[in-house]
Parts: sequence; structure tokens; C-alpha cells
Amino acid sequence: NAGVTQTPKFQVLKTGQSMTLQCAQDMNHEYMSWYRQDPGMGLRLIHYSVGAGITDQGEVPNGYNVSRSTTEDFPLRLLSAAPSQTSVYFCASSLTSNAGELFFGEGSRLTVL
Amino acid sequence: QKEVEQDPGPLSVPEGAIVSLNCTYSNSAFQYFMWYRQYSRKGPELLMYTYSSGNKEDGRFTAQVDKSSKYISLFIRDSQPSDSATYLCALTSNDYKLSFGAGTTVTVRA
Repeated sequence: NAGVTQTPKFQVLKTGQSMTLQCAQDMNHEYMSWYRQDPGMGLRLIHYSVGAGITDQGEVPNGYNVSRSTTEDFPLRLLSAAPSQTSVYFCASSLTSNAGELFFGEGSRLTVL
Repeated sequence: QKEVEQDPGPLSVPEGAIVSLNCTYSNSAFQYFMWYRQYSRKGPELLMYTYSSGNKEDGRFTAQVDKSSKYISLFIRDSQPSDSATYLCALTSNDYKLSFGAGTTVTVRA
């Protein structure tokens, strides 16, 4: 099992550009989520999904879109990148019966100039 | 006021010392309490998971929850250099939204 795989690991964007962070898991987990991690702020939930075709907003959803067409994949789209979106992004998944036991990817470091 | 407050440290201790980490929270709906460990440039990994007041032990790690005081703790006994990491508390009412503390960075000196 690869677990949770995120790509790319590093990305530099210019203000206004768009991009997609990819996330895939091979554990057949229903629940998937995206967090951003900033110094002194901890992990903040951006969007989450409890199954294919179902998504919902977290604490900081503005500027991001998600979709869940399959159980395995949960991409995060930045529509028009801003310097405030410079962060480390983590994708995580879990069984819906145990929402506290998240399995995280290794992170995607994004810099917006 | 943040839902979860965690002292960011950093904390530096000699090998073999007891490490004490804690978080306070304000939302009485939280029912599940977790501690995650995050090594540098890696994703967090679940260390301890509990859902009731009291103590839970796993090897050198003890998680403590006091719901009446809205206070959770993690103790690491006989700390090792390999315990050097950032420790994040996380709480949820099981609505799929975890609230994380800011994390405490711990360095164990050999």
C-alpha cells in the first residue's frame, strides 16, 4: 500500500495562476480532506469529502475548489493564486467510522510570488 | 479565541527526561482526543487516540484527558532523540472536522 500520495511535492506559482494539487489514496477510505499548515496556526481544514460525489467546506475554503469523482482521488484546485496561499498543504484520509484517525500524505509545499 | 490552545514551545530536554505537553480547549462538544507526531518535512502521524476522561498508556506514551477542565496532556517517559518532533493535539466531535492545536516542537538532546 502506498497510503496517501500527494503531487507535486514543491511548486512555485505567480500571483493569479491556477493549479491543481493531486491526492490519491489506496486504502479504500471514504473520508478525504485537505489541510493547510502555516507557522503558529496549526493545521486548518480547507475542504473535505465523506464519499464520492460529496464535498463540503472546512474552516478556510475561500480560493479553493475540490471535487470527488472517485473514492481514490481528491484534487484541490487553486483558482487564482495569491501570496496568502503560500503554505504547506496536506491531504488526509480515514475510514468514516473512525474520523479521528487520519492518514496524511507527505505534503505539498506551495510558494506564490 | 482559538478553539484549541497549545503552547508552541519550543521544548528542549535531555535524553531520558519526561516530556509534558498539553492543550486546552473551549468547545465542550469535543468527544475524541488525539495526539499526532510530525517529523520535519513529513506529514503528521497518529500517536494516541482516546475518547474518554482518564489516562491511556501506550509504551512510553501516556495521554490524559480531563473533560471537566477541558484540558488534555501527553507525557513521554524516558525520552529519546528519536522523539524529537512536533506534537499536535487534535480534537473532534466526530463531525469529520478535526480542530488542531498549533503544535509543540520538542528536541531531545543526546
